Amino acid sequence: GENVEQHPSTLSVQEGDSAVIKCTYSDSASNYFPWYKQELGKGPQLIIDIRSNVGEKKDQRIAVTLNKTAKHFSLHITETQPEDSAVYFCAASIPGTSGSRLTFGEGTQLTVNP
Amino acid sequence: DTGVSQNPRHKITKRGQNVTFRCDPISEHNRLYWYRQTLGQGPEFLTYFQNEAQLEKSRLLSDRFSAERPKGSFSTLEIQRTEQGDSAMYLCASSSLAGGPGTGELFFGEGSRLTVL
Repeated sequence: GENVEQHPSTLSVQEGDSAVIKCTYSDSASNYFPWYKQELGKGPQLIIDIRSNVGEKKDQRIAVTLNKTAKHFSLHITETQPEDSAVYFCAASIPGTSGSRLTFGEGTQLTVNP
Repeated sequence: DTGVSQNPRHKITKRGQNVTFRCDPISEHNRLYWYRQTLGQGPEFLTYFQNEAQLEKSRLLSDRFSAERPKGSFSTLEIQRTEQGDSAMYLCASSSLAGGPGTGELFFGEGSRLTVL
């Protein structure tokens, strides 16, 4: 089955700096790659996603890049703010299996220091 | 609030007891998922419903676990004879079959945290 690895497990940045989180996946059939933000005591919330027919997608301060050949994708957050502090999860989905069944990475605890 | 609703939010039980969690998905979503999340880990897939049909179950779902979605609306996840290893956050998510942008996006509830003593 699909395996998703995520790095780093913890990331601490100063407010205003950029943060980058990287993920690799194992199954080349995966075609949907969402990123979720999870705040303490809450469920994961989708912040951005990308499909395999696109190499890059941007939404304000957040961007995701996908390299299908290398089977890795990354989350970029620019101009970080203290409210960006949370755990971020990447995930991958293979088409045709259980609708949107996602395999998640282990998460990155992002801390933005004021 | 029209998001995914889960109850109870917290459940503390003694080993060997049965527990049941309920999930109310977003009303127009016909796909419903249960995931389990342990501390410091990403969510792990447990099972998936399309309408009332349970289409897939993970190997993680032992025979002590059962999930239902009668009438294709709310869902329940029951754990019988709980063990300490069942302590985790149980997350429910829903999505729509509709095509177009956002297809496949999972909307998660706040989760039900289970502690087995």
